[in-house]
Amino acid sequence: QKEVEQDPGPLSVPEGAIVSLNCTYSNSAFQYFMWYRQYSRKGPELLMYTYSSGNKEDGRFTAQVDKSSKYISLFIRDSQPSDSATYLCAMSSGNTPLVFGKGTRLSVIA
Amino acid sequence: DAGVIQSPRHEVTEMGQEVTLRCKPISGHNSLFWYRQTMMRGLELLIYFNNNVPIDDSGMPEDRFSAKMPNASFSTLKIQPSEPRDSAVYFCASTLFSEGKQPQHFGDGTRLSIL
Repeated sequence: QKEVEQDPGPLSVPEGAIVSLNCTYSNSAFQYFMWYRQYSRKGPELLMYTYSSGNKEDGRFTAQVDKSSKYISLFIRDSQPSDSATYLCAMSSGNTPLVFGKGTRLSVIA
Repeated sequence: DAGVIQSPRHEVTEMGQEVTLRCKPISGHNSLFWYRQTMMRGLELLIYFNNNVPIDDSGMPEDRFSAKMPNASFSTLKIQPSEPRDSAVYFCASTLFSEGKQPQHFGDGTRLSIL
């Protein structure tokens, strides 16, 4: 079993939809959780950062961490065509470098 | 502030040639990472440095790959000899410390094609 599992998609939704992106992990020591967004032909850029469990909201984006289920989510409300990108989850125990998921490709259709 | 700078942005070369990829990390960052990204395997960590010292190179696929960091503001990833299966996008990233508590900052990558 890989340390971090992420459905690669692709995921296609209409503009204005609520998008849910998810990752599962196996290492119970993980406590630093991040979501990166990667546009085509660009490097990944940090979108959300969460420590330990709970929710974090930033505009249309909400990150959730459920440590008991080893499951993290990123929700995008009122999705826009500009949200079309690959979304990568990343996580760490705080003692080793970040471990990345493979990424989910999202297309938001106008 | 300047981000992570990688060069070249694109490289096309023939099998057997030496390829050198370059990276300038963000000033003040102590850790530097080299990744390879493909559709099939996603983002793979090749090697990382702390304070210019290689810490873990277990992700380097073969002896054909080597990386150096001669100073805090420059790193190279070299492939010699190159093979078609090395075709991928190579990313460099930097961060303050490597323990995963802070986010990594990525360059825009080098798109490598080996013919």
